[in-house]
Amino acid sequence: GPKVLQIPSHQIIDMGQMVTLNCDPVSNHLYFYWYKQILGQQMEFLVNFYNGKVMEKSKLFKDQFSVERPDGSYFTLKIQPTALEDSAVYFCASSEQDNYAEQFFGPGTRLTVL
Amino acid sequence: GDSVTQTEGLVTLTEGLPVMLNCTYQTAYSTFLFWYVQHLNEAPKLLLKSSTDNKRTEHQGFHATLHKSSSSFHLQKSSAQLSDSALYYCALSDRGNMGYKLTFGTGTSLLVDP
Repeated sequence: GPKVLQIPSHQIIDMGQMVTLNCDPVSNHLYFYWYKQILGQQMEFLVNFYNGKVMEKSKLFKDQFSVERPDGSYFTLKIQPTALEDSAVYFCASSEQDNYAEQFFGPGTRLTVL
Repeated sequence: GDSVTQTEGLVTLTEGLPVMLNCTYQTAYSTFLFWYVQHLNEAPKLLLKSSTDNKRTEHQGFHATLHKSSSSFHLQKSSAQLSDSALYYCALSDRGNMGYKLTFGTGTSLLVDP
């Protein structure tokens, strides 16, 4: 079936540094999402993105976060600067339509901020 | 806001026995429920989805029925297999201010022993 890829699978960085998480969504999908999962907790919605714009973001999507998909390439989540509480697994997802359509998830990027 | 409750963190059972994973939800708006399954080191994948009250939906031997009167969407299988060992997430789709997002439960780890 359709696959979403995420690069890297693990990332360890020092607090205050910048990090970019990369997502390669399903090729014909137009809607993109990021979710955050802190260890032992549920996945929580961060942001959705369509046509080059953020449609909605949650209160977890801090000012230090940004997303983009330049020229139809990777859908990225950038955190600058990082904080200790950013340590989590970040899941990217994509969907073909903007309704109750299935969201296809990547395997996640485990981010550790030291 | 929306919420999804999965009461069991871990379910352990013997191969061949029936499976039931609980899911209840709270939402003020439309109701579209999903079950995602995540095997170790893999991406969460859609298992079932439903928006129709009191209609059983089935896939890969699993089934669930959305009951709006009790706000439940429990996942069941008549006979567990070793390969069913995985993390199962119940999720609710909701339209925010712009675009759709999933609200997840905390997940239930299913461990099937021989």
